Parts: sequence; structure tokens; C-alpha cells
Amino acid sequence: DADVTQTPRNRITKTGKRIMLECSQTKGHDRMYWYRQDPGLGLRLIYYSFDVKDINKGEISDGYSVSRQAQAKFSLSLESAIPNQTALYFCATGRQTQNTGELFFGEGSRLTVL
Amino acid sequence: QKEVEQNSGPLSVPEGAIASLNCTYSDRVSQSFFWYRQYSGKSPELIMSIYSNGDKEDGRFTAQLNKASQYVSLLIRDSQPSDSATYLCAVISGYQKVTFGTGTKLQVIP
Repeated sequence: DADVTQTPRNRITKTGKRIMLECSQTKGHDRMYWYRQDPGLGLRLIYYSFDVKDINKGEISDGYSVSRQAQAKFSLSLESAIPNQTALYFCATGRQTQNTGELFFGEGSRLTVL
Repeated sequence: QKEVEQNSGPLSVPEGAIASLNCTYSDRVSQSFFWYRQYSGKSPELIMSIYSNGDKEDGRFTAQLNKASQYVSLLIRDSQPSDSATYLCAVISGYQKVTFGTGTKLQVIP
């Protein structure tokens, strides 16, 4: 089983719908991240969390919200999806150590908003 | 100015040659730097980290850091077709957030 699991792996939805992407991890890491990846734009940080009570906005948080339900779970929500939120979304985890740039990624969730 | 900048490529090198990938960053207080490899359709994976000025070698990979010039590079010696992937530079900046560049696509031609 994957250490970082994302669900769903693929989702097609319509404009205005609420969507939740879920991430769970068995690595025991404190830090969790949500990134989106678009062609030519690389990985852009949406939100990140250092523990259940510490959630921070990334560079593109508008239109998104997150919930850290437990150390192992970090969900990303799109309250009212729009077509330019069509992207590949990655969840990642990291240890609370000096090597905080060592991230472990899930397999990605491909979201299409029509 | 983007926090982390990379040439998108593609960078094409013949098999057996040295591939040189470059990255610049804007935050002078950044202390930690990373290279990730991402195969097409897959998630990124860490291949190198570097924290001090100079070179760090790991097998066929060498990371180079020059903080004065705000420049990080990755050299891949004896490039193999299996090295064909997108290479992402990442920097820890601000409140311990990990910021990625747009990635450089490397193609190793047999």
C-alpha cells in the first residue's frame, strides 16, 4: 500500500460543484502539503500544515480550503469549482526535522472541471 | 520575479554525456535546496539535497550550490535514457514552505 494515498485519483465535475480531495498518510509525518501542477507552471503550493492546529496558505489558496482532521489526514476542498481549477493535484508529507524539503508525494488526483 | 526559476527545456543530451540543469532563487535567506525527479505521469521523488556552498556528489549526480549568486545546479554524469524526466528544483523559503520551480525536461538520446 502507498504511504501517501490520495482519493479520488480522477474526477470529472461541473462548474459550481463542491469537490473534496482527500489525502491520508501512514508515514507518521507532521507536515502535509497540497500542490497543484499545471503544464508549464510546475508545482504551486495551495496550503500546508505543520500539525493539526497549524494551517498556512500557500501562493494560490484563493478558491480552496483545507481541513486537517488528524495528523494523518489532510483534505482539500473546492467550494465552487471553476474550469481553471482543472489540474493535477498532489498531496505531500514531510518530517518535522531540518530536512523539511524532503517531501513524499501521493500519486496525484487529476481533476477536470467542465 | 518568481521565487524559483528554471529553464523549461527540453534539454537534449546524448547518452553518456553530462547533463547540466540550472536553477536560480530569489530569497537570499533560503538555506535548503533540493532536486526532485518526475517521470511522465508520476509523482516527484527527491534525488538530491544540498545545504552548504560547494558540491555534493551522490553516484552519477552532483548538486552545486552558490549562495552568493543564488544559484543551484544539478549535474548528471554518464546520462542514461532512464534519466529522461522533468527535474524540479525546490527551495525552502518564508515560513518553512517548500517552493518549486517549473521544472526542466531532460531528454537523453540513445
